[in-house]
Amino acid sequence: EAQVTQNPRYLITVTGKKLTVTCSQNMNHEYMSWYRQDPGLGLRQIYYSMNVEVTDKGDVPEGYKVSRKEKRNFPLILESPSPNQTSLYFCASSLTRGLGQPQHFGDGTRLSIL
Amino acid sequence: ILNVEQSPQSLHVQEGDSTNFTCSFPSSNFYALHWYRWETAKSPEALFVMTLNGDEKKKGRISATLNTKEGYSYLYIKGSQPEDSATYLCASHSGTYKYIFGTGTRLKVLA
Repeated sequence: EAQVTQNPRYLITVTGKKLTVTCSQNMNHEYMSWYRQDPGLGLRQIYYSMNVEVTDKGDVPEGYKVSRKEKRNFPLILESPSPNQTSLYFCASSLTRGLGQPQHFGDGTRLSIL
Repeated sequence: ILNVEQSPQSLHVQEGDSTNFTCSFPSSNFYALHWYRWETAKSPEALFVMTLNGDEKKKGRISATLNTKEGYSYLYIKGSQPEDSATYLCASHSGTYKYIFGTGTRLKVLA
């Protein structure tokens, strides 16, 4: 089954404790992206990747890191999480950036930083 | 940063009613306009991707139009059903690799 898989689905942790949210897709998609969803603000893009080893900042990259060593994986790293990073996070992928390709979303990861 | 706006924010309609929502986006550097349907406790699912001025797309009872010159898209639902209840998101994709999402229109269809 074609899908985008995020782990964990839920995480409660404390300020400053490094964490990684994994994202994997099995559709051979080139484009991958991370978003955060906060009430009243809509989905905001954190980082995106056009292909292996090619990443760039979205609109809210502060406090996050990403890597794209393999085509299928695009982990989101919070080196020193803070309470303002408490949010619902989505990973998404699309075949390419061009030709008007739709994004496929993972099920989301709800992070609570205490 | 591009500004994508959706209206109304929320909407209650009776089963069988037809309804429509608006997505406004900056028309400069336009590349594509995406519509997604987002049900509670699920992830957003793509409805349409529209790229050409005057585009009209249809999927069952749901259709969408696009005006890139004036920077708006309409989503229409004909004969709304309770299962249409969801948040409908639009996202503008400009000449960069970024996406800008609106805050969505929350639709509730009352049986």
